[in-house]
Amino acid sequence: AQSVAQPEDQVNVAEGNPLTVKCTYSVSGNPYLFWYVQYPNRGLQFLLKYITGDNLVKGSYGFEAEFNKSQTSFHLKKPSALVSDSALYFCAVRGSSNTGKLIFGQGTTLQVKP
Amino acid sequence: DAGVIQSPRHEVTEMGQEVTLRCKPISGHDYLFWYRQTMMRGLELLIYFNNNVPIDDSGMPEDRFSAKMPNASFSTLKIQPSEPRDSAVYFCASSFASGGRYNEQFFGPGTRLTVL
Repeated sequence: AQSVAQPEDQVNVAEGNPLTVKCTYSVSGNPYLFWYVQYPNRGLQFLLKYITGDNLVKGSYGFEAEFNKSQTSFHLKKPSALVSDSALYFCAVRGSSNTGKLIFGQGTTLQVKP
Repeated sequence: DAGVIQSPRHEVTEMGQEVTLRCKPISGHDYLFWYRQTMMRGLELLIYFNNNVPIDDSGMPEDRFSAKMPNASFSTLKIQPSEPRDSAVYFCASSFASGGRYNEQFFGPGTRLTVL
């Protein structure tokens, strides 16, 4: 069965420092992987996705994610964090083949302190 | 495009009342999803539709919940009768498949439901 895990409930980082939000997955077949961000009292916003091709995927707001097949990971990264990046981040993997369903992780709260 | 539209944005009702949540997906999208988000359970998929047909309703908590999609531009999620434990934020999302690829889901702003 497809699954995704975000091992950290919360990540704290100082403004200007690089940030990493971790995600590992388990799929049968080729993975479709996604990152979403949720600001308080808002819906989830799409950040980026990996379907195929380059292992380093660039997305919105300066975020990028690195797909690592051997480690079954898809960590979200940003070279220099902003206070405004503070939010809840979700990793997701597409469900079994031939479905539009996404399996979401439990979410990681990112706190960026000035 | 206005994005996924949900109404109402907030709903406060009393236990036992019927609640209807509404969603208008992005035009041209052929998948529609209903989610529920709570602090305790996180984000849960309730049901999803493809081309207006329910595909997987295994996440619907119980018979009190029902969802319909009468056409490509409208869906409802109904709770009858409502209970305090149904209090949550309910999200609708839509996406499309093209060339055999399933694209990202676009989420609406959510409906915050409070059942007293």
